[in-house]
Amino acid sequence: GAVVSQHPSWVICKSGTSVKIECRSLDFQATTMFWYRQFPKQSLMLMATSNEGSKATYEQGVEKDKFLINHASLTLSTLTVTSAHPEDSSFYICSARVSGSSYNEQFFGPGTRLTVL
Amino acid sequence: AQSVTQPDIHITVSEGASLELRCNYSYGATPYLFWYVQSPGQGLQLLLKYFSGDTLVQGIKGFEAEFKRSQSSFNLRKPSVHWSDAAEYFCAAFMFSGGYNKLIFGAGTRLAVHP
Repeated sequence: GAVVSQHPSWVICKSGTSVKIECRSLDFQATTMFWYRQFPKQSLMLMATSNEGSKATYEQGVEKDKFLINHASLTLSTLTVTSAHPEDSSFYICSARVSGSSYNEQFFGPGTRLTVL
Repeated sequence: AQSVTQPDIHITVSEGASLELRCNYSYGATPYLFWYVQSPGQGLQLLLKYFSGDTLVQGIKGFEAEFKRSQSSFNLRKPSVHWSDAAEYFCAAFMFSGGYNKLIFGAGTRLAVHP
């Protein structure tokens, strides 16, 4: 149980285009989902926290107009990288917290590798 | 400031040798603590977690970790490493930072295993 999927797993796009990444909790409901960014050989940096039905909370330094997050249902959150540029190339990982859980374990997706040419 | 530190960026051990990966945290209380493993190009898999109680916790794949409050540490150990354990290991702590609770990761330790 507690499986999180991401789609696509790998995407290449041209500079200036937008890319949407989906994060789904497959067998549980997730009130809260998180989006992380990981540069090569570095740690995960939290970009934003997404709560179902409300606006996402972005970390300091993360452009909310560039990284659009939508959490329209209890099993789906999307991250759209708008007007992508080569510096946006990275590994994006989402995680989900089980709704109503008595503790705060997060389950992570397999990640999406974005390459912007 | 709240932080998680993994002092060792890269560790190499021989297969069959014991392993200890270090993790320290900086926080005004005892956070929830986690160890994750990440294989190349993959997401994170939870190895074990500590919330409270017994300070020695057992995880999957033969890993264990010990919480030491006096040292603000949560070191990961394995008595005998297998070649398949080669991966990146992240220590993380669930702490109140920037106005709300969040999972904060250490920089990671890359483990290489020699045959």
